[in-house]
Amino acid sequence: QKEVEQNSGPLSVPEGAIASLNCTYSDRGSQSFFWYRQYSGKSPELIMFIYSNGDKEDGRFTAQLNKASQYVSLLIRDSQPSDSATYLCAVNMGGNNRLAFGKGNQVVVIP
Amino acid sequence: ETGVTQSPTHLIKTRGQQVTLRCSSQSGHNTVSWYQQALGQGPQFIFQYYREEENGRGNFPPRFSGLQFPNYSSELNVNALELDDSALYLCASSLVGTRRETQYFGPGTRLLVL
Repeated sequence: QKEVEQNSGPLSVPEGAIASLNCTYSDRGSQSFFWYRQYSGKSPELIMFIYSNGDKEDGRFTAQLNKASQYVSLLIRDSQPSDSATYLCAVNMGGNNRLAFGKGNQVVVIP
Repeated sequence: ETGVTQSPTHLIKTRGQQVTLRCSSQSGHNTVSWYQQALGQGPQFIFQYYREEENGRGNFPPRFSGLQFPNYSSELNVNALELDDSALYLCASSLVGTRRETQYFGPGTRLLVL
């Protein structure tokens, strides 16, 4: 079982719609969860972090965490063409404080 | 901009050569982590340095080694380069002791091994 899984294929959404991304993780003891955005040819950029069960909102982004189900999600409201990127889910594995990443989900916002 | 810098931005080497990549951490951060990102994959943890010592290592062979300096900057050294080492190498800085120790990435070094 992979430490962090993002199974959805590329996601195409019309401009103004909601993009929904999901991520599951294997280590029940994980405490910190992150979403990074990565534009093609660039490095990952932190857009959200969440530590507690429930929702966390920051502008058009909402992160949701359910530790019992070992599930993290990201919602992008009012999607814009500039949101077109790959979104990486990362989980802090504790111990040596390393981040385990999913493979990423590509989002394409269609004008 | 995260304040994390890396050099060089691009590098071409041949199989068997050695390479050194450099990273300067964000001001106030004391920890540097290195990741390898192959095309189409998420970053993979190589190792982390804190107080000039290795503080955890991922599943990478010993030919991947590193250093951290008193000013918290860091180097990643790879010996006996293989074709599969071609990737984007990312460093991330963080502050141990702060809540959850969020990591911020530099722009990366793209390495091509021929």
